[in-house]
Amino acid sequence: GAVVSQHPSRVICKSGTSVKIECRSLDFQATTMFWYRQFPKQSLMLMATSNEGSKATYEQGVEKDKFLINHASLTLSTLTVTSAHPEDSSFYICSAKPGQGRADTQYFGPGTRLTVL
Amino acid sequence: RKEVEQDPGPFNVPEGATVAFNCTYSNSASQSFFWYRQDCRKEPKLLMSVYSSGNEDGRFTAQLNRASQYISLLIRDSKLSDSATYLCVVGRNNNDMRFGAGTRLTVKP
Repeated sequence: GAVVSQHPSRVICKSGTSVKIECRSLDFQATTMFWYRQFPKQSLMLMATSNEGSKATYEQGVEKDKFLINHASLTLSTLTVTSAHPEDSSFYICSAKPGQGRADTQYFGPGTRLTVL
Repeated sequence: RKEVEQDPGPFNVPEGATVAFNCTYSNSASQSFFWYRQDCRKEPKLLMSVYSSGNEDGRFTAQLNRASQYISLLIRDSKLSDSATYLCVVGRNNNDMRFGAGTRLTVKP
């Protein structure tokens, strides 16, 4: 099946630093990638949808200047958490959708656990 | 009101039991419906899509009631390996999926 990787899998950083998370589709081209955040015992919350070569679409309440998304190629999207604070500590998961695939062809990455001290 | 609501559980059942999960959604324009499984500290994995006619995959049966905006998942003959959190997911369109908070299932020997 299709594989999506995320790097790093876990990161611990100091408050005020920026953290970049990479999401790669390894065996297909993803025109659309999604970034989710999941707090403990809560549902996945869609943060933004990114389409290759264009600006990301952010969900209401998600600060685009704080969560920078770049989808520069058909296999790579990055999420940068700028000036991270402890409340940004969460599980960040990306997913990728090939071409014109249906919603159920989203493939999830293994997630990145961010801890901000 | 949350767009997708699930009973958080936990459901604790013995091996071999039958267990059913329910989910309701608020957006009547929703077009696609899924059940995902999420193991602790892992990413969600698609369990099955849910169709209006209902569908079955081995021990798993999913049903959709559009009129009541209600989705269900039935697991028969529970296995220890079924222990996980089951996420109800509703899609407005191909690029917009909304996740329920999940129902936690623990199957005990």
